[in-house]
Amino acid sequence: EAQVTQNPRYLITVTGKKLTVTCSQNMNHEYMSWYRQDPGLGLRQIYYSMNVEVTDKGDVPEGYKVSRKEKRNFPLILESPSPNQTSLYFCAILTSGGTQYFGPGTRLTVL
Amino acid sequence: AQSVTQLGSHVSVSEGALVLLRCNYSSSVPPYLFWYVQYPNQGLQLLLKYTSAATLVKGINGFEAEFKKSETSFHLTKPSAHMSDAAEYFCAVSEGTSYDKVIFGPGTSLSVIP
Repeated sequence: EAQVTQNPRYLITVTGKKLTVTCSQNMNHEYMSWYRQDPGLGLRQIYYSMNVEVTDKGDVPEGYKVSRKEKRNFPLILESPSPNQTSLYFCAILTSGGTQYFGPGTRLTVL
Repeated sequence: AQSVTQLGSHVSVSEGALVLLRCNYSSSVPPYLFWYVQYPNQGLQLLLKYTSAATLVKGINGFEAEFKKSETSFHLTKPSAHMSDAAEYFCAVSEGTSYDKVIFGPGTSLSVIP
């Protein structure tokens, strides 16, 4: 079964200090994406990637960057985090049947 | 653009009672529809999905959902709630007829009272 891992699971940082959240998959799925989850808003897509070196903006991309240098990994980069980026972040893969498999989540707090 | 509403941010049911979680979408074009469940401190996992086959879809853990085009609804039901069903439930709908873009509803938190 598809597995998605994220690190770290919990992170507390300060405004402006660059950070990276890693995401990796154990299979060869082409489509990967990042979401943030906020109370009352559900999940909102930040960025997605349909294959290596192919990335595109989702609904809330401001303040985030991603890269897809290899199929397994899809890191999320916050160059200068701000308190409004405090959230729960999920990485996901998409199978050909339309099912998304989510990682366990990264809870980020920006002070 | 597609949108998803879930009526009731919090739903409480007694153990053994019927579970009904409501979901409505906005598009007139029949999309793909999904229900995901999130247990505490975990990621989301798929409960069931509708992809234009049978309108009554059965999922895991005894859940099912019925696609009603005339009502643009995809409500989730389970005949008898179990304590382990306590979780957050998200309805999601595809943007058009592609899996690539999925819009999630705000979620409904289900509590099960012993």
